[in-house]
Amino acid sequence: SQTIHQWPATLVQPVGSPLSLECTVEGTSNPNLYWYRQAAGRGLQLLFYSVGIGQISSEVPQNLSASRPQDRQFILSSKKLLLSDSGFYLCAWSVRGLGDSYGYTFGSGTRLTVV
Amino acid sequence: QKEVEQDPGPLSVPEGAIVSLNCTYSNSAFQYFMWYRQYSRKGPELLMYTYSSGNKEDGRFTAQVDKSSKYISLFIRDSQPSDSATYLCATQGYWGANSKLTFGKGITLSVRP
Repeated sequence: SQTIHQWPATLVQPVGSPLSLECTVEGTSNPNLYWYRQAAGRGLQLLFYSVGIGQISSEVPQNLSASRPQDRQFILSSKKLLLSDSGFYLCAWSVRGLGDSYGYTFGSGTRLTVV
Repeated sequence: QKEVEQDPGPLSVPEGAIVSLNCTYSNSAFQYFMWYRQYSRKGPELLMYTYSSGNKEDGRFTAQVDKSSKYISLFIRDSQPSDSATYLCATQGYWGANSKLTFGKGITLSVRP
C-alpha cells in the first residue's frame, strides 16, 4: 500500500533561519507531488507541484522553494524564514495520468512557527 | 468569484442531527468531486469521491453532485462527536490547469454529545 511520510511534525524556527521540510512517498512510482500551506481562515494554498524529478512548478511567488531530487522525495526549503511563513505545511501525492483522478493523499503535516 | 465557494461556518449540531455541508463551483471543466475530512493538527483524508451527478452513499455519509447548478453537498446522518472535524470540498478537471485539485476553504463542524 502507498504511504506518505512527512517530518518533522512540529517546528519552531527563528526569523532569518533556514528551513528544510522533507516528504517521501512509498509504494508508488512516478507520483505527482504537492506542497500546500494551510493558514487559519485561508484554506489550503498550493505552493508547489511536481510531475517528475527536477520538475517544479511554483504557484505563488514567495520566500520558499521546492526540489525533487528523487522520484518519491519532495523537499520544501527556505534560505531565510519570515514571520509570515508560519503555518501548517502539507505534502500530498496523486496518481499521474490524464483523465484519471483518485484525489490526493496527504501527509500528516508540519506545523511551523516562526518566532 | 472564487472557483470553489464553501459555506464558511463554523457549524455546531447536537449528536444525532443530520448535517448538510455545501459548496458551489464555477468552472464547468471540473469533473471530479471530493470531500475531505481533516481532524485538528492532521492532514486531510479523502472521505467521499464521485465523478457524476447524483448521490453516492457510504454508511452515514452521502455525497451529492448537481452539475447543472454546479452544487456539491455532503450529508451526514446520525452525526457523532467523532465527526467533529473540518470538512473541505474539492473539485478537479481532466487536464491542464484544471487537473489540479481546487479546494474550498473548509467548514469546521462540532457535534455536541
